[in-house]
Amino acid sequence: AQRVTQPEKLLSVFKGAPVELKCNYSYSGSPELFWYVQYSRQRLQLLLRHISRESIKGFTADLNKGETSFHLKKPFAQEEDSAMYYCALNFGNEKLTFGTGTRLTIIP
Amino acid sequence: DAGVTQSPTHLIKTRGQHVTLRCSPISGHKSVSWYQQVLGQGPQFIFQYYEKEERGRGNFPDRFSARQFPNYSSELNVNALLLGDSALYLCASSWTGYEQYFGPGTRLTVT
Repeated sequence: AQRVTQPEKLLSVFKGAPVELKCNYSYSGSPELFWYVQYSRQRLQLLLRHISRESIKGFTADLNKGETSFHLKKPFAQEEDSAMYYCALNFGNEKLTFGTGTRLTIIP
Repeated sequence: DAGVTQSPTHLIKTRGQHVTLRCSPISGHKSVSWYQQVLGQGPQFIFQYYEKEERGRGNFPDRFSARQFPNYSSELNVNALLLGDSALYLCASSWTGYEQYFGPGTRLTVT
């Protein structure tokens, strides 16, 4: 069975400091991974997907199949990055398994 | 386009009752998925429909059912409500590939 683990429920980072949100997965197939973000009072939205290898809002994530990880990184945190972040695994035909999420707070 | 819309926004039901939640996908999207998000957890997959056919079902009891209509809108039905069914129910639509767009959710409280 597929599983996504986000070990940190809460993460606080000072503005301007680097950010890393951890995500590990277990899946027997070829993984397709995503990061979703939910800002206060907004709906869940896609931040980035590993196959596109894009950088969105300064965030990047690299799929490491050896370590089964897909950590989200940003070199310099901004106050508007405060939000709930979910890592998700596509386990076939657009069905997603989500982690429990990490609430990121940027300290001014 | 207003994005994915869901109705109602909130509702309160009593144990044993039945509930119907509705979802309208983004125009042109033919796939609709339903997720349950319990407080403090990530969304959990319930159903996926594509072109009015069920494409997948998560680990939920038969009390949960869904359908998709010719206009691609969808309903999620839950029978014999339990206290544990209290959650935020999310609908997501997609056209192709794996990018899903989520609605604002329906918050269901079972008392």
